Amino acid sequence: GQNIDQPTEMTATEGAIVQINCTYQTSGFNGLFWYQQHAGEAPTFLSYNVLDGLEEKGRFSSFLSRSKGYSYLLLKELQMKDSASYLCAVLDSNYQLIWGAGTKLIIKP
Amino acid sequence: IAGITQAPTSQILAAGRRMTLRCTQDMRHNAMYWYRQDLGLGLRLIHYSNTAGTTGKGEVPDGYSVSRANTDDFPLTLASAVPSQTSVYFCASSERGQGNSPLHFGNGTRLTVT
Repeated sequence: GQNIDQPTEMTATEGAIVQINCTYQTSGFNGLFWYQQHAGEAPTFLSYNVLDGLEEKGRFSSFLSRSKGYSYLLLKELQMKDSASYLCAVLDSNYQLIWGAGTKLIIKP
Repeated sequence: IAGITQAPTSQILAAGRRMTLRCTQDMRHNAMYWYRQDLGLGLRLIHYSNTAGTTGKGEVPDGYSVSRANTDDFPLTLASAVPSQTSVYFCASSERGQGNSPLHFGNGTRLTVT
């Protein structure tokens, strides 16, 4: 079966750096997305990776290793507003999105 | 402001009743989707439409139906609601279906079936 694994919850301190991991086992691979979802709100797009390596976008970076079935989202200079759930989703060989359950990130002052 | 509008925001519904969740987008996106989000689970696709006039079944289509008469609207109907359909429902759109274009989500409808 297809599977996306992410930690359920993580805690970090304001101003610090946090890495949220995502491992996947899917039938084929056509890219990996990260979305941010604040409590009670809609998910919003953060990043898309289809090639191996690191993509940097401001304070957020996303890394992909296709051979390891692994990605991470790196958040730098954490702010209180970064408290949210972070969803990993993989586009499989049929271009269907497979979603992880999300990682709830709690930022403490 | 361009985006996706869902209605209602929340609803309490008696089991056995019929309910239509509304979704409208003004971005002229080709593809639209309905997802449900339940605690501890990833988003699950109910139905999708890659272009106006076509629809397809997702991972959990049973008990739901959709139509796509035009580009902008994609209503989701529960013919006879059951308690297991209690969930948060998100409508989404993307420029292209079955591709790598990001999804844009509406603010969701919180549905409770009693």
